[in-house]
Amino acid sequence: GAGVSQSPRYKVAKRGQDVALRCDPISGHVSLFWYQQALGQGPEFLTYFQNEAQLDKSGLPSDRFFAERPEGSVSTLKIQRTQQEDSAVYLCASSLRRLSGGFFEQYFGPGTRLTVT
Amino acid sequence: AQSVTQLGSHVSVSEGALVLLRCNYSSSVPPYLFWYVQYPNQGLQLLLKYTSAATLVKGINGFEAEFKKSETSFHLTKPSAHMSDAAEYFCAVSSQGGSEKLVFGKGTKLTVNP
Repeated sequence: GAGVSQSPRYKVAKRGQDVALRCDPISGHVSLFWYQQALGQGPEFLTYFQNEAQLDKSGLPSDRFFAERPEGSVSTLKIQRTQQEDSAVYLCASSLRRLSGGFFEQYFGPGTRLTVT
Repeated sequence: AQSVTQLGSHVSVSEGALVLLRCNYSSSVPPYLFWYVQYPNQGLQLLLKYTSAATLVKGINGFEAEFKKSETSFHLTKPSAHMSDAAEYFCAVSSQGGSEKLVFGKGTKLTVNP
């Protein structure tokens, strides 16, 4: 019955370090999304999984960003060689699969606040 | 492409006063529209959604929004503000029958004064 969880909640990285952010979706949720929320801005889409398949990665800002969901449940967003502009809150959301003509709500986790110094 | 514009990054009202948060969208296909609320250091919570049924949508905590296709608007209202309504509000759009990803506005921070 738990919601979407994310870890760590806060991460401080030195410029150039690699980081890995974890998302545990709601059990049984097929769809998983990653969003990036810069300070004072709305969330922006990064990537989308349906089960283990990454169906849309059009929002990933550079090839330093990589996401995976190997068993169709937990997902990891990895950022290599972090830069200051990567500082943001990274939000994960999950939903049931949307059937034709239907809609399923995205449930958001609390986010991971990444600060790159 | 889809986009959302929220007019007013900050709105301040007195407790008990009407809340009106404005949202205009752009979409080349029939949209789904949403309002989310975000409290400090928390994730987003869905307030209400428009999914092509009734144009006047009622949500949680006394909020409602009206979909107006001719004005491409989906403004959020609440008749009487409560202190606990102070938060950041985001309007979002996705496309019916298309990608499930949400496109968000920049948000409106609501302050409620006693």
